[in-house]
Amino acid sequence: QSALTQPRSVSGSPGQSVTISCTGTSSDVGAYNYVSWYQQHPGKAPKLMIYDVSKRPSGVPDRFSGSKSGNTASLTISGLQAEDEADYYCCSYAGSYSLRVFGSGTEVTVL
Amino acid sequence: EVQLVESGGGLVQPGGSLRLSCAVSGFTFSSYWMSWVRQAPGKGLEWVANIKQDGGVKNYVDSVKGRFTISRDNAKNSLYLQMNSLRAEDTAMYYCAKDQFAGFDPWGQGTLVTVSS
Repeated sequence: QSALTQPRSVSGSPGQSVTISCTGTSSDVGAYNYVSWYQQHPGKAPKLMIYDVSKRPSGVPDRFSGSKSGNTASLTISGLQAEDEADYYCCSYAGSYSLRVFGSGTEVTVL
Repeated sequence: EVQLVESGGGLVQPGGSLRLSCAVSGFTFSSYWMSWVRQAPGKGLEWVANIKQDGGVKNYVDSVKGRFTISRDNAKNSLYLQMNSLRAEDTAMYYCAKDQFAGFDPWGQGTLVTVSS
């Protein structure tokens, strides 16, 4: 049950695109299409942004998109906005008994 | 409106116990898996435990097995986490969340547990 690997930080200017990677193993990210992404602003609870690798919950802007290739999932934020500055975490189903594993977290900075 | 409200956190000495509660409203509690997720100060998220709709299946992260027990009372729309033999490394904000398999949504606001002498 090791944490998924994410870059510590990414940054971009308003309007640009940034991509956050989330690398796991063939036992979690690579095995299942159950990757989700969460946005967390300081002092707030996490918010679901992407589920099932690439689906957006109602209310999440379409500039947030998700994908997966092999053992690595990715979250792309297009048309970066100031309010997107936050921490982002990936999470994967990890097999038997509905275990879950989170990523290490990525701080997104809007320059 | 969907609401999850955690309570029961506080300061406890190493080796002590605490029972966290999560009161749920706004959705059919008995129809969903539920999870506890924690976040140590300045650190990332860690899934702790989850429980099936009828309470018949419970899963835990290795670091809390044998010390924490997740439970639920569907009649009271409430989720619980009994934490025993607490350690300094259990210090964290504890969140409850509806576990929709594909993702956790929504989350409560969290309750802070501090383990210190």
